[in-house]
Amino acid sequence: QQQVKQSPQSLIVQKGGISIINCAYENTAFDYFPWYQQFPGKGPALLIAIRPDVSEKKEGRFTISFNKSAKQFSLHIMDSQPGDSATYFCAGGYSGAGSYQLTFGKGTKLSVIP
Amino acid sequence: DSGVTQTPKHLITATGQRVTLRCSPRSGDLSVYWYQQSLDQGLQFLIQYYNGEERAKGNILERFSAQQFPDLHSELNLSSLELGDSALYFCASSVSGQGVFSEAFFGQGTRLTVV
Repeated sequence: QQQVKQSPQSLIVQKGGISIINCAYENTAFDYFPWYQQFPGKGPALLIAIRPDVSEKKEGRFTISFNKSAKQFSLHIMDSQPGDSATYFCAGGYSGAGSYQLTFGKGTKLSVIP
Repeated sequence: DSGVTQTPKHLITATGQRVTLRCSPRSGDLSVYWYQQSLDQGLQFLIQYYNGEERAKGNILERFSAQQFPDLHSELNLSSLELGDSALYFCASSVSGQGVFSEAFFGQGTRLTVV
């Protein structure tokens, strides 16, 4: 059962445009929602994260919007740059029972064209 | 560089064989996580260790096992390998795993190809 659904699978955005990636989760026990960025040949790296008691978090050009009632969250990349071209993964984190698990979405491949 | 070291970077082996993947966490990190990344399944959580103890199990096959040693490095053992086990295997580490969130840092992965 996929607990985090991510869309779209791929995204092409013009340089300077806004990239929007959406995720929906099912597990209401999730209490941490990170976004990871992965470049080819590299491991995922944490980009930005939010807790469910906050509706929005902004770090530079990256913003997470979180809707707890709808069980949805999204990543907005403002002024997208070719260097942002990567695969982005959303995840839901659960820290119960002495463990810490991340359940990832299937990823969105972002291409920013000049 | 995340500070998480995985070896080897590439591994090619035949079906039915057994391999061991190694992970050295960042200095000071007590938790180690293993993930499998394939094209169709994305990043799948396999298992977590905290300070030598198994803490959580995800979609890990019975043919796979892991352990974390006293020096905190971890090994993932994959046996009776099948073609479908071909994937990228990532190790991640974090400071803690006991209900206190800290960023998980990923290594560069081991690409396993089963032929």
